[in-house]
Amino acid sequence: EAAVTQSPRSKVAVTGGKVTLSCHQTNNHDYMYWYRQDTGHGLRLIHYSYVADSTEKGDIPDGYKASRPSQENFSLILELASLSQTAVYFCASSLREAGQLYFGEGSKLTVL
Amino acid sequence: GQQVQQSPASLVLQEGENAELQCNFSTSLNSMQWFYQRPGGSLVSLFYNPSGTKHSGRLTSTTVIKERRSSLHISSSQTTDSGTYLCALELYNQGKLIFGQGTKLSIKP
Repeated sequence: EAAVTQSPRSKVAVTGGKVTLSCHQTNNHDYMYWYRQDTGHGLRLIHYSYVADSTEKGDIPDGYKASRPSQENFSLILELASLSQTAVYFCASSLREAGQLYFGEGSKLTVL
Repeated sequence: GQQVQQSPASLVLQEGENAELQCNFSTSLNSMQWFYQRPGGSLVSLFYNPSGTKHSGRLTSTTVIKERRSSLHISSSQTTDSGTYLCALELYNQGKLIFGQGTKLSIKP
């Protein structure tokens, strides 16, 4: 069974603080993605990666950085968290670009 | 404008009734995916369907690229089918997925 795990599952951060969301996959997939879900906006792509040590900007990259230290791990970094970044974040992996996606459980981030 | 439109936005049915969810798109695509999002939030892949019809238990996905539509049919609905159903289309030659806004399905016992 394909597996994508995220941590933490829930986090409360203060405005201006640094937040790191981590994602680990055991699918042996090359592609990994970070999506953000907000009510009324559906799922929007923040960053993605198709190879270790390289990341690409998605549709809404401002205010976020990403890191792919290995094929299995992909992190989303908020250097200066803001109220507007309160959302649920999903990590996903796929075998090919825009291929069948396998999602993690989601990470609920609340910025106060 | 919106490249993918899901309808209806919400649907309430009695257990045992059939559900028909639609995803219409305004652009050429390579493939369509359907996901189920549990009330708790996690997303599960239901179908990866470039075209034609696929079946999985009580679920059927039909994608007709020429007509720019995809549908998800749930037969004999159960209360455990409640949740949000999302479609996502892969834009033609762009390697990019666009998600619909989702259909919230509620099945009453």
